[in-house]
Amino acid sequence: AQKITQTQPGMFVQEKEAVTLDCTYDTSDPSYGLFWYKQPSSGEMIFLIYQGSYDQQNATEGRYSLNFQKARKSANLVISASQLGDSAMYFCAMREGPGYTGGFKTIFGAGTRLFVKA
Amino acid sequence: EAQVTQNPRYLITVTGKKLTVTCSQNMNHEYMSWYRQDPGLGLRQIYYSMNVEATDKGDVPEGYKVSRKEKRNFPLILESPSPNQTSLYFCASSNHPPGTSDTDTQYFGPGTRLTVL
Repeated sequence: AQKITQTQPGMFVQEKEAVTLDCTYDTSDPSYGLFWYKQPSSGEMIFLIYQGSYDQQNATEGRYSLNFQKARKSANLVISASQLGDSAMYFCAMREGPGYTGGFKTIFGAGTRLFVKA
Repeated sequence: EAQVTQNPRYLITVTGKKLTVTCSQNMNHEYMSWYRQDPGLGLRQIYYSMNVEATDKGDVPEGYKVSRKEKRNFPLILESPSPNQTSLYFCASSNHPPGTSDTDTQYFGPGTRLTVL
């Protein structure tokens, strides 16, 4: 069963406006971590922001913020003041575990492609 | 410079011909992972390693092998590649399992684009 859901395959936003990329997750583990990554057309994976399940406040990193609603199991990424360079694929991911060997797995959503218009 | 390197970056091969994709990190990280990325599916974890000689299956381990004999290296082995293993592969490392402390996140390699004919 898919545990990370990104319902927006593609989105458009006007330059300088804010945009929200949706992410919902499902886990029974009380301890987990949520991440967002950016993948530009060049292909590399760039870490943007992290939210721990016990963190009381929403994470922020520059123009990125994570709208964490634990009861709804959502972890939406908000990008303020969009720039042309923000055009990329964005992935939501979750760390869960430990598993039966004490290890931790990471699960990614299918991604949202963001297009920033000039 | 802190980095994760993968080789080769591009590979075209034929069904059944064993291949190895190497991954090396210079950050003394304990945790390493392999992912494959396919359109519409995001990244799926193949195997991960908590430390030397400690590996475990991710979500899609079938058809792959890994080993972790040294901390810095985590090769991905396809003993008998098949066309459904055509994909973009990423290696990643982090000091601890991602997200187990405030700043632990994964550093990704540049990716290896594999085509199996």
